[in-house]
Amino acid sequence: KAGVTQTPRYLIKTRGQQVTLSCSPISGHRSVSWYQQTPGQGLQFLFEYFSETQRNKGNFPGRFSGRQFSNSRSEMNVSTLELGDSALYLCASSLRAPNTEAFFGQGTRLTVV
Amino acid sequence: TQLLEQSPQFLSIQEGENLTVYCNSSSVFSSLQWYRQEPGEGPVLLVTVVTGGEVKKLKRLTFQFGDARKDSSLHITAAQPGDTGLYLCAGAPMDSSYKLIFGSGTRLLVRP
Repeated sequence: KAGVTQTPRYLIKTRGQQVTLSCSPISGHRSVSWYQQTPGQGLQFLFEYFSETQRNKGNFPGRFSGRQFSNSRSEMNVSTLELGDSALYLCASSLRAPNTEAFFGQGTRLTVV
Repeated sequence: TQLLEQSPQFLSIQEGENLTVYCNSSSVFSSLQWYRQEPGEGPVLLVTVVTGGEVKKLKRLTFQFGDARKDSSLHITAAQPGDTGLYLCAGAPMDSSYKLIFGSGTRLLVRP
């Protein structure tokens, strides 16, 4: 069974640009969550999707958005990038909800210069 | 605001020693998970505990969920260099199964 696939693995962007990150969950999993990991703040919840609907959202500005497609694949978008957006962005896949188990991808390392 | 406090933040021990990592909160969680993360990789799920007082064992690792479901501990017996990594606890809030609140992590180094 293939794991969670995140693309790209590494990304360098300039301040003000926008970026789109992709996540393919484990086959059969319908819940996809996104987290931002930084040395100072640790792992912080961004949002969670199930069957193309956002069920929960963390305390991030509106520049951070996401969506989920009918095949459960998910994308997150960050517009007007700031230096502070540099982080490891992690996607987690769950069968129905993350409260029982969540399987993480390797993450996308975003560097904003 | 729901917070999970992990302690200690850093731990450097000799191979063969025992250790315990703590995860505490003033909030009640419906479940709690423990992960291990290695540099450049995503967290890997070790265990999920759901019932207050529950104890789960995974080889040399013992996980316990507090009776009130506000705290948890991870005990490693006879640590090995392969146990080195960042250990994270994560709780699912009672009012939402759709997100996890993560602790700040415990960075463990096991010296040969």
